[in-house]
Amino acid sequence: AQSVTQLDSQVPVFEEAPVELRCNYSSSVSVYLFWYVQYPNQGLQLLLKYLSGSTLVESINGFEAEFNKSQTSFHLRKPSVHISDTAEYFCAVSARTAGNKLTFGGGTRVLVKP
Amino acid sequence: KAGVTQTPRYLIKTRGQQVTLSCSPISGHRSVSWYQQTPGQGLQFLFEYFSETQRNKGNFPGRFSGRQFSNSRSEMNVSTLELGDSALYLCASSSLAGNEETQYFGPGTRLLVL
Repeated sequence: AQSVTQLDSQVPVFEEAPVELRCNYSSSVSVYLFWYVQYPNQGLQLLLKYLSGSTLVESINGFEAEFNKSQTSFHLRKPSVHISDTAEYFCAVSARTAGNKLTFGGGTRVLVKP
Repeated sequence: KAGVTQTPRYLIKTRGQQVTLSCSPISGHRSVSWYQQTPGQGLQFLFEYFSETQRNKGNFPGRFSGRQFSNSRSEMNVSTLELGDSALYLCASSSLAGNEETQYFGPGTRLLVL
């Protein structure tokens, strides 16, 4: 079984400041790692994913995440946030042999202040 | 391409009733997964269907069931509704069997049980 812990339930941040959202996971098997974003009253959208290869993955809107196998972490960062980044962010894992079953963390609500 | 659609978007039921929710995946997608999102339990996996077969099941009671049709559309049914079933139910689709494929989420059906 897998489990995901997002260490911060809420992160207030000023516009144009950097933000880091922490995610740690536990699994006895190899996993794929994902970050999803949920805007108010909407479903989830994939931000980025780590499948293999380079441990640093980037999204088209400036987010990046680094897979650290030894620390079983997949932290999400953005060097400069915008008001439009206000949303809830979910880290998720999927065991490589489990089919399309995602195990999610509890979410981190990011509030960007002007 | 049209995204994942879910109907209805909002639903109010009373305890003891049953409900059926519908999900139409992106055209060409054969895998459909269902998730329950509540403030207390977060996002939890219900089940996944691929080519009309249930491939994965989460830890929910037998009151929760689903099916998938030959056109990949899926329905989930909850019988004997309880107050705790109030939640946002999200459906996600992906094109292939492997879980490295991106899952695309619908906007969800918000169910309120009174």
